[in-house]
Amino acid sequence: SAVISQKPSRDICQRGTSLTIQCQVDSQVTMMFWYRQQPGQSLTLIATANQGSEATYESGFVIDKFPISRPNLTFSTLTVSNMSPEDSSIYLCSVASSRNEQYFGPGTRLTVT
Amino acid sequence: DAKTTQPTSMDCAEGRAANLPCNHSTISGNEYVYWYRQIHSQGPQYIIHGLKNNETNEMASLIITEDRKSSTLILPHATLRDTAVYYCIVRYSRTNDYKLSFGAGTTVTVRA
Repeated sequence: SAVISQKPSRDICQRGTSLTIQCQVDSQVTMMFWYRQQPGQSLTLIATANQGSEATYESGFVIDKFPISRPNLTFSTLTVSNMSPEDSSIYLCSVASSRNEQYFGPGTRLTVT
Repeated sequence: DAKTTQPTSMDCAEGRAANLPCNHSTISGNEYVYWYRQIHSQGPQYIIHGLKNNETNEMASLIITEDRKSSTLILPHATLRDTAVYYCIVRYSRTNDYKLSFGAGTTVTVRA
């Protein structure tokens, strides 16, 4: 299984600012994903981050609000832009393995005041 | 991807087997059944997946009915650390399509 780390683990931010979340994997992976988990809710996929191409966003999520970078096969960032209190969530990255399994990072808990 | 239906919550006794049901009556022949769990304040953890045969690993067993319309995840000897939300997910097995759609899951509480 892959070992995934995220930075920061948590943050408290003011509305109108932006936060960049980093995701690091201990092995090279083709596909990385970013999810959001709002308080008391299940996980919702934001986008798929592919190395060497633009991220693919799910319905309801746009690049201007959640720009994603994927500079290499072990790293990705998600930026939450122009934050509002509604963006307060846990943001998780995950990777797909060659065995059709998916592994998740520990998450970044974001609170917007 | 096919929709799944799980009970909202269930309790089980420590040391006993926990049987978690999942209905996926609209599953197609190319869709796998996956199980994940999320312990409080952690990222989801992969448990097991299967297509039509029963599967077993070090964490759990997955029993899929012959018509594939339902499945059961079995935790053979539940411990307090198995308290978590368990998600049953049906995913199309097409290569390069790894997206997972999480439902509400079953909140499992293991009691001493």
